[in-house]
Amino acid sequence: AQKVTQAQTEISVVEKEDVTLDCVYETRDTTYYLFWYKQPPSGELVFLIRRNSFDEQNEISGRYSWNFQKSTSSFNFTITASQVVDSAVYFCALSVPLETSGSRLTFGEGTQLTVNP
Amino acid sequence: DGGITQSPKYLFRKEGQNVTLSCEQNLNHDAMYWYRQDPGQGLRLIYYSQIVNDFQKGDIAEGYSVSREKKESFPLTVTSAQKNPTAFYLCASSMRQGANYGYTFGSGTRLTVV
Repeated sequence: AQKVTQAQTEISVVEKEDVTLDCVYETRDTTYYLFWYKQPPSGELVFLIRRNSFDEQNEISGRYSWNFQKSTSSFNFTITASQVVDSAVYFCALSVPLETSGSRLTFGEGTQLTVNP
Repeated sequence: DGGITQSPKYLFRKEGQNVTLSCEQNLNHDAMYWYRQDPGQGLRLIYYSQIVNDFQKGDIAEGYSVSREKKESFPLTVTSAQKNPTAFYLCASSMRQGANYGYTFGSGTRLTVV
């Protein structure tokens, strides 16, 4: 069975602070994919990044960066110089292939990030 | 533009009634999914379908039913057997093959039992 744990339920920071959202996952599959999604107050989930289990390179996209470490089964997400518009719920998710075809996406419980001006 | 349309955005149901949530996609995706979101519990999988006329139960299928008569449509019925249906419901779709494709999500339907 797959499991994703986001231990931080809520985080509150002041604008321009850096903030890291933690994600720990469990799976027996050797091939899997990890995702981060952002859910603004409107409710729709917005895709941020995908990382496969064979690629441990860290990635940076503007103010966002991701640190993938298979040794600790973690896929942490850092926002540098946070802004008020970053306020949202952030979900980490794990995708594994199904026996027949397709995939199954398992979500963590989400971290509510509030950036105060 | 391609995407997923969920309707209605807000839905109110009296206890004992069945209600159907609509989900339509024009992305030509084979797979479609229904998730339920409760505060502090993340998203939980209700049902999913990898192909037309076939669907599988997820983790919390009791009290729900689905159909997949067309590739573009995957409606979810919340039946009176669902004990606590008040929640936010999200529909998603993806390419069928492989685990590497992310999901595209609709904007959700907020169901409230009154």
